[in-house]
Order: sequence, then structure tokens, then C-alpha cells
Amino acid sequence: DAGVIQSPRHEVTEMGQEVTLRCKPISGHNSLFWYRQTMMRGLELLIYFNNNVPIDDSGMPEDRFSAKMPNASFSTLKIQPSEPRDSAVYFCASSLGQGDQPQHFGDGTRLSIL
Amino acid sequence: AQKVTQAQTEISVVEKEDVTLDCVYETRDTTYYLFWYKQPPSGELVFLIRRNSFDEQNEISGRYSWNFQKSTSSFNFTITASQVVDSAVYFCALKGTGRRALTFGSGTRLQVQP
Repeated sequence: DAGVIQSPRHEVTEMGQEVTLRCKPISGHNSLFWYRQTMMRGLELLIYFNNNVPIDDSGMPEDRFSAKMPNASFSTLKIQPSEPRDSAVYFCASSLGQGDQPQHFGDGTRLSIL
Repeated sequence: AQKVTQAQTEISVVEKEDVTLDCVYETRDTTYYLFWYKQPPSGELVFLIRRNSFDEQNEISGRYSWNFQKSTSSFNFTITASQVVDSAVYFCALKGTGRRALTFGSGTRLQVQP
């Protein structure tokens, strides 16, 4: 079975550019999460969706960040304009329902803003 | 508020040694779920195990075992006869009732030397 698919795996871009990260959750999963991993802050939740609806975006750093989930099989995380401090690994995860169901993570997107 | 503490930042062992990774958590929820994830050098996050707060049975899976003690709010992970392939960062995570997001610990980097 296909896992969570993220693209691109690596992204290097210059400060000020728009960055779009993509995620395809596991088929049938109805919850989707975006996390960011940095050395300083570890793994932190940015936003999560349930049945394509954003439930909690309190982790989104600022207005430069936005996320969408137009359908059950696709989500994007956009940064515009990007800044060097946005450099991190961004993970997408999905899970079925709630409770004790584990979140399954994609391979992550390593983002470097120069 | 929820919190997960992994006090061991880095552990180095020689192959075939047993090693225990500590995890201590805080939560006010009476029902909650605990997880362990592995992040190998390649960067992906791999789900290892989940445990419900009302199930304190220890679990063994091959060389891996988990010891959950509610009385001390701990969920420790032991690798028996460690192997070089076990080298990774291991994360403990917590999810409370009604919450969908995981709260991660800061991770423990395990290095297994040949």
C-alpha cells in the first residue's frame, strides 16, 4: 500500500520566493497533519485537517504560511514570501479517525531558503 | 497542557548491548495514547508502537519491548541486542482524548557502534 507521499523531497530557493509543498495522504485516511522539524524547536504541529476541513491552525507561524486541502487526496502548504528562518524539514502525516490510530508520516520535504 | 520529556539527548552503545530509551509524559487527560517513532538517518518518521492509557501491559516485538507505567508516567523503550541498523533518533509522542495532534518529545539519538 502506498504511504503518505510528499513532494518535492528537497527544495532550495531564494528568500522572497513562493514555496509550495505537496502531500497525498494514505487513501481512506480522513485526518491530515502538517508538522515542521527544526533543531531548535523539534517537531511541531502547524495545522491539521479533518475531512478536508482545517480544524486547528494555531501552529501556523504567521500569515506568510497557508494550507489547503481541496479534496481528500491532496493538500498543499504554501509559504509566501519565504524567509531563511523557514528552513526546516516539513512533514505531512495522515491518520484514520481519531483516538489511538497512529499518524503515518511522509518522507518529508527538506526546505532551504537562502 | 501536555508535555513529553526525553531526558537522554544522545546514547552510544556497542552492538549487542541492550539499551533503554526513557520517556516521561504529563497530561491532565484521563484517557490518552502514547507512541514511539523512529527517524533513521534517511529522515523519514516510522511508526513503531502505540499504547492506550488503560492498557498497562508491556509489549514485546522481536528485539523491541515497551514498558508502560502509569504510576510514574513513563513509557520506556528497550532494544535488546542492539544492531547498527538501530541507529536513529527515537521520538516518544502523546495524544490526549479529543485531540488529534501529537505532542512529541525532543528525541533521543541512538548510535550503535559495530
